[in-house]
Amino acid sequence: GESVGLHLPTLSVQEGDNSIINCAYSNSASDYFIWYKQESGKGPQFIIDIRSNMDKRQGQRVTVLLNKTVKHLSLQIAATQPGDSAVYFCAGGTEGGSYIPTFGRGTSLIVHP
Amino acid sequence: NAGVTQTPKFQVLKTGQSMTLQCAQDMNHNSMYWYRQDPGMGLRLIYYSASEGTTDKGEVPNGYNVSRLNKREFSLRLESAAPSQTSVYFCASSIGRTEKLFFGSGTQLSVL
Repeated sequence: GESVGLHLPTLSVQEGDNSIINCAYSNSASDYFIWYKQESGKGPQFIIDIRSNMDKRQGQRVTVLLNKTVKHLSLQIAATQPGDSAVYFCAGGTEGGSYIPTFGRGTSLIVHP
Repeated sequence: NAGVTQTPKFQVLKTGQSMTLQCAQDMNHNSMYWYRQDPGMGLRLIYYSASEGTTDKGEVPNGYNVSRLNKREFSLRLESAAPSQTSVYFCASSIGRTEKLFFGSGTQLSVL
């Protein structure tokens, strides 16, 4: 199966800074990745996804980068705001009959005003 | 739209008691999932249902059973609750197995 994990359990940044949250995966066949944001007391919410035929995908203030060579992906948040404070999860898997969304442990992003 | 609705939001059980966690989605999704989340851990998949009429074990299925009652509803049953099952349980759904998940707000379960 897939194993995904984030590099740091906690990331502290100042409001207005850019944040980078990293994630590594183990299965080189993995071809679909999703980032989720989980605020306190709530279920995870979709932020952005990327498939392996892309290296980069941008959303509103967020960018996901995928490096298949080293099996690593990152989530970049521009101009981080206090509302971005949450736990961020990456999830990955292999599209096709055996795909099961597998989550890493999460990185807690703390934004200081 | 309500999205994914879980009931109850909180539950306290005694060891050995049974209960069923309910989940319903109104997005006409084909796939549904049950995860548990423990402090400092990611979400671990208990069971999933790729489509109506099918269910499969996930990473941590022991002590649980599921029923995909219809396309909308996917329930999780604890037959004999144990303290190790104290956790936050999340139900999720997706259009298909390779699509993003939509999560409910969770059930906080304590087993004493």
